[in-house]
Amino acid sequence: SQTIHQWPATLVQPVGSPLSLECTVEGTSNPNLYWYRQAAGRGLQLLFYSVGIGQISSEVPQNLSASRPQDRQFILSSKKLLLSDSGFYLCACGTGGGEQYFGPGTRLTVT
Amino acid sequence: GESVGLHLPTLSVQEGDNSIINCAYSNSASDYFIWYKQESGKGPQFIIDIRSNMDKRQGQRVTVLLNKTVKHLSLQIAATQPGDSAVYFCAENGSGGSNYKLTFGKGTLLTVNP
Repeated sequence: SQTIHQWPATLVQPVGSPLSLECTVEGTSNPNLYWYRQAAGRGLQLLFYSVGIGQISSEVPQNLSASRPQDRQFILSSKKLLLSDSGFYLCACGTGGGEQYFGPGTRLTVT
Repeated sequence: GESVGLHLPTLSVQEGDNSIINCAYSNSASDYFIWYKQESGKGPQFIIDIRSNMDKRQGQRVTVLLNKTVKHLSLQIAATQPGDSAVYFCAENGSGGSNYKLTFGKGTLLTVNP
């Protein structure tokens, strides 16, 4: 079964600073990869998904971007963080069957 | 950890009772559904899934029921334990049945009283 790693676990960044969150997956090949954001007490908002290396689909216009440099690596980035970027960021891995499995998440606080 | 505040529907049960968490979905084209459990500060954990060619599926202490006529999904937890306290989300493969993306419900906070 797959294992999803995310780091860092917690991050505090000032407004206007850059961001790089990393997600790596073990135990599977050619997965679909996803980035979600979850605000406190809220549901999950899909930000990006990728069905293969270099293939990124954006769901929500914003100042975030995603990249997939390797089959099992997914990176979420920003050049300049906004206060509204604070939240709990979750990486997920899926197969063609539809199910998705989540990583432990990164808590981002923009100050 | 993650704060699950007042925006979520809540269900409070006594330890040992059965719990039923409900979810309504909107896309009649969805043919795959998942229940997730999310504990405070952690990522959602896959509990059980069901495809639209089934009405019921059972796991360990959990049962998912699907009523396609009224687009309703429920999760039943038998003999609820304090460790079951968490937020529970349902998800459907919306977008016309796409297997790439899931649409998540808002979640229900389950509190188990000892």
